[in-house]
Amino acid sequence: AQTVTQSQPEMSVQEAETVTLSCTYDTSESDYYLFWYKQPPSRQMILVIRQEAYKQQNATENRFSVNFQKAAKSFSLKISDSQLGDAAMYFCAYRIDRDDKIIFGKGTRLHILP
Amino acid sequence: DAGVTQSPTHLIKTRGQQVTLRCSPKSGHDTVSWYQQALGQGPQFIFQYYEEEERQRGNFPDRFSGHQFPNYSSELNVNALLLGDSALYLCASSLIRGNDLIFGPGTRLTVL
Repeated sequence: AQTVTQSQPEMSVQEAETVTLSCTYDTSESDYYLFWYKQPPSRQMILVIRQEAYKQQNATENRFSVNFQKAAKSFSLKISDSQLGDAAMYFCAYRIDRDDKIIFGKGTRLHILP
Repeated sequence: DAGVTQSPTHLIKTRGQQVTLRCSPKSGHDTVSWYQQALGQGPQFIFQYYEEEERQRGNFPDRFSGHQFPNYSSELNVNALLLGDSALYLCASSLIRGNDLIFGPGTRLTVL
């Protein structure tokens, strides 16, 4: 079965500090894409960062970066210089190359402490 | 560009009723996917529409059906509503097999 596990239901970080959200996934496929989505209280799901499994280099988007460990099937998200606007639910997700559906984890609620 | 729009924002129905949710994709996108997000859970894939046909379906009963129109907009229909159908229904648009999925704000359905 294809699954995504986020073991941290909630996390808190001080404003301007760095936080890492964990994610593991299970698939027997070799070609797939990994994602982190942010869902603020407005409910709109926003793509934060994407990683292609065939790329060894970790993706970065400004203050957001990932640590992709393919052999360990681990895909963590690091947020640097945390800002109040980063407070949201964060979902780890993936899609295998030959499929259309995206499989999501249960999410991690991130609180930013001023 | 308005992005992905969904209507209505909120909806309250009673068990056994039928409901129709609507989605307009982002301009230029040709594919619409629907997801159900129960409270405290991640979204679950319902189905995807492309060229007015259901391209792929998740593990949802036949009570869930959909349609895509020539202008790429889409509807999600749920018949014989159950209490467990209460959820946030998310529509997402993209280009076919694309990874840039754009989500709408969702429709919150409450079944009493």
